[in-house]
Amino acid sequence: DVVMTQSPLSLPVTLGQPASISCRSSQSLVNSDGNTYLNWFQQRPGQSPRRLINNVSNRESGVPDRFSGSGSGTDFTLKISRVEAEDVGIYYCMQTTHWPWTFGQGTQVEIK
Amino acid sequence: EVQLVESGGGLVQPGGSLRLSCAASGFTFTTNSMTWVRQAPGKGLECVANVNQAGSAKYYVDSAKGRFTISRDNAKTSLYLQMNSLTADDTAVYYCARGWGANWGQGTLVTVSS
Repeated sequence: DVVMTQSPLSLPVTLGQPASISCRSSQSLVNSDGNTYLNWFQQRPGQSPRRLINNVSNRESGVPDRFSGSGSGTDFTLKISRVEAEDVGIYYCMQTTHWPWTFGQGTQVEIK
Repeated sequence: EVQLVESGGGLVQPGGSLRLSCAASGFTFTTNSMTWVRQAPGKGLECVANVNQAGSAKYYVDSAKGRFTISRDNAKTSLYLQMNSLTADDTAVYYCARGWGANWGQGTLVTVSS
């Protein structure tokens, strides 16, 4: 199985400051079709996960543009340009290139 | 508006069975694969099973193989997960998701305990 490793696992951030989460996969996520199926999810306290980013960098409809995704191959990053209070929660990367689809351990974003 | 509503969770004894259902609406069910994802209490996320649009291809995580069966009824726009031989390790909130996570339901809690 593809192992997804996130860092850091805990990320205290000051409101209005940027935040960055790293996600590394144990093997390349480039699919035979040429696409890279790396997704980012946000799970707010007590809620279901919500997909923010698909295919490395495509922001879902309704997701604020302060969220951005980048990366290639095995190294990926989710950036929040200016953290707001509503961004508190756990963020997961997930690969859907290889079955079984696998998630990172999650990164807890909290306000300092 | 996309809606995914899970049901069927509850308390079951070790070795028992449970059938989860997910009623889907607000999108073209027949053009989407569907996935069950679970989250043990206080833990991360795990994809359990996926079924393709026609229901002809099914994929399972190793821990579910031979015990769980994913199925769908396109006429009823519904997704199912039949779970047999349940153990304490299967205790989790089970989410129904469209495709690879485009939309999620609210989840249904499965507790395996004597």
